[in-house]
Amino acid sequence: EDQVTQSPEALRLQEGESSSLNCSYTVSGLRGLFWYRQDPGKGPEFLFTLYSAGEEKEKERLKATLTKKESFLHITAPKPEDSATYLCAVQALSNAGNMLTFGGGTRLMVKP
Amino acid sequence: DSGVTQTPKHLITATGQRVTLRCSPRSGDLSVYWYQQSLDQGLQFLIQYYNGEERAKGNILERFSAQQFPDLHSELNLSSLELGDSALYFCASTSPGGLAFFGQGTRLTVV
Repeated sequence: EDQVTQSPEALRLQEGESSSLNCSYTVSGLRGLFWYRQDPGKGPEFLFTLYSAGEEKEKERLKATLTKKESFLHITAPKPEDSATYLCAVQALSNAGNMLTFGGGTRLMVKP
Repeated sequence: DSGVTQTPKHLITATGQRVTLRCSPRSGDLSVYWYQQSLDQGLQFLIQYYNGEERAKGNILERFSAQQFPDLHSELNLSSLELGDSALYFCASTSPGGLAFFGQGTRLTVV
């Protein structure tokens, strides 16, 4: 069974204080690993897709990396508007439907 | 705006009742997925339809059912509702490459 574990569950940062969020996964063949941002009461918003170990993607203050067992979302010099829940999900090669298995999320709070 | 439309945004109903949630996928997307998000369970896959046919089932209760219509919109029917069914229900559609775009969700409150 595919599993995704995110840590920490919650993270408080001061504005400008860089940090990393972790996503550990076990999957029977990885088709893709996805990062989403979710604001309270809203739907998940796509950030990145990573497909193979060693791959990295960047967008503004966010950078996602992937190894064979985990992914990191690095946040450089965060701003209060980066406050949200960050979700990690995997898509397995074995599943024909391309559904996503999500982790529990990391709730990020950035204080000014 | 993801292009995925869900209605209604909020729904309050009593235990034992039946409700229908509606989803219109992005233009051109043939797949529709339903997910449930509750505080203690996180985002859980319920069911997938592809071009009108059921393709995959996840942790969907027997009291719940879905269908996808010829115009590709989908409906999720929840019946004999219980307090524990209170949650956010999301619909997603996927691009041909498998990238999922989510709607804004329907918040269901069962009282």
